[in-house]
Amino acid sequence: DTAVSQTPKYLVTQMGNDKSIKCEQNLGHDTMYWYKQDSKKFLKIMFSYNNKELIINETVPNRFSPKSPDKAHLNLHINSLELGDSAVYFCASSQFPSRALPGVFYEQYFGPGTRLTVT
Amino acid sequence: DAKTTQPNSMESNEEEPVHLPCNHSTISGTDYIHWYRQLPSQGPEYVIHGLTSNVNNRMASLAIAEDRKSSTLILHRATLRDAAVYYCILRGHNTDKLIFGTGTRLQVFP
Repeated sequence: DTAVSQTPKYLVTQMGNDKSIKCEQNLGHDTMYWYKQDSKKFLKIMFSYNNKELIINETVPNRFSPKSPDKAHLNLHINSLELGDSAVYFCASSQFPSRALPGVFYEQYFGPGTRLTVT
Repeated sequence: DAKTTQPNSMESNEEEPVHLPCNHSTISGTDYIHWYRQLPSQGPEYVIHGLTSNVNNRMASLAIAEDRKSSTLILHRATLRDAAVYYCILRGHNTDKLIFGTGTRLQVFP
């Protein structure tokens, strides 16, 4: 059973195109995330959603638009792709609620990643 | 956001213990210390976390300095499968935001 899945695994596209990456989790978690890992392997959070509501938005260009049709899915749509968007994108999920309980630990579960190459 | 400092890389032989250090001198009283690791071509996975006391689980142990300004992840018997980048992360008690640093790349030799 795959806990957090992403499609596609690889995505090669040209500059200026619009593309989407899909993420699904079957863990029943309330919160989902998108991270970007660049060519230097630096991993940085982009967005988080809790029950379809945007919680974290880390100064990501407007060309990136996450969409959460339900709490089990968080898709990432990217408009007008640029060379600098080439990276590995990871989806993650956790049980983190809208109001965190002090002292309670919420592990994040990551998907296998989507390698996006923009040419 | 409090930052962590880790060595870029470390090496170990199989079945030997490995001690991965992390400095976090600006840690606040409510920051938790988390360790995640990223195996080659995979997403990060949780290893262990702690606040003040040392912690043990099936994967590793976490030793936290008394002043909490540093911690050490201990793999008791390294295996080839433990070769990964290990990230030491501080997380505030009321947030789920993980800020990854550069991590330590652990190489394990047979």
